[in-house]
Amino acid sequence: DAGITQSPRYKITETGRQVTLMCHQTWSHSYMFWYRQDLGHGLRLIYYSAAADITDKGEVPDGYVVSRSKTENFPLTLESATRSQTSVYFCASSGSELAFEQYFGPGTRLTVT
Amino acid sequence: QQQVKQSPQSLIVQKGGISIINCAYENTAFDYFPWYQQFPGKGPALLIAIRPDVSEKKEGRFTISFNKSAKQFSLHIMDSQPGDSATYFCAAREETSGSRLTFGEGTQLTVNP
Repeated sequence: DAGITQSPRYKITETGRQVTLMCHQTWSHSYMFWYRQDLGHGLRLIYYSAAADITDKGEVPDGYVVSRSKTENFPLTLESATRSQTSVYFCASSGSELAFEQYFGPGTRLTVT
Repeated sequence: QQQVKQSPQSLIVQKGGISIINCAYENTAFDYFPWYQQFPGKGPALLIAIRPDVSEKKEGRFTISFNKSAKQFSLHIMDSQPGDSATYFCAAREETSGSRLTFGEGTQLTVNP
């Protein structure tokens, strides 16, 4: 199906482990975003990408790494997971600077024990 | 720092009542103000949006009121229904930021039958 998908939907990992969250969109949107959602903080931008091979930090990038070798994929890696990274992670995409609407994936609930 | 302040954090309204959620901002470079709606277990989805050259925008039971001089905007939900129960996020886009959005903290709305 067309759209934006995230995998896995749920993940439990241990402190110190590396974990990668996947995001895939089928619209060929230029912009892609990673947010984390925590109670009382709303949606905070971790990283974003304006196009393949172009990424930039958002509001809370520490502890995260992204890459974008293909337009449709935007994986987010936690290099050494910490309990403070327990959160719900959302990926989003947007067509262009003139098409501001962001389309969100269903989210990944990550628990770091 | 939170560039978009949203209130209240939670809101309970009776069916048929009016729900009002407020947002305030400081950055005068913001040029687009969307509201997103999020149901439990889902990603946020665009509900309605406004540009600062318009003071009000209405779509069905949802209205955005915008006060440029006060740097405030609000979402009004008329004739609130139990199906409107969701988390609502206001957001703002800075004109030089491409498709980046800054989100408020979110408001959890409950509409009682």
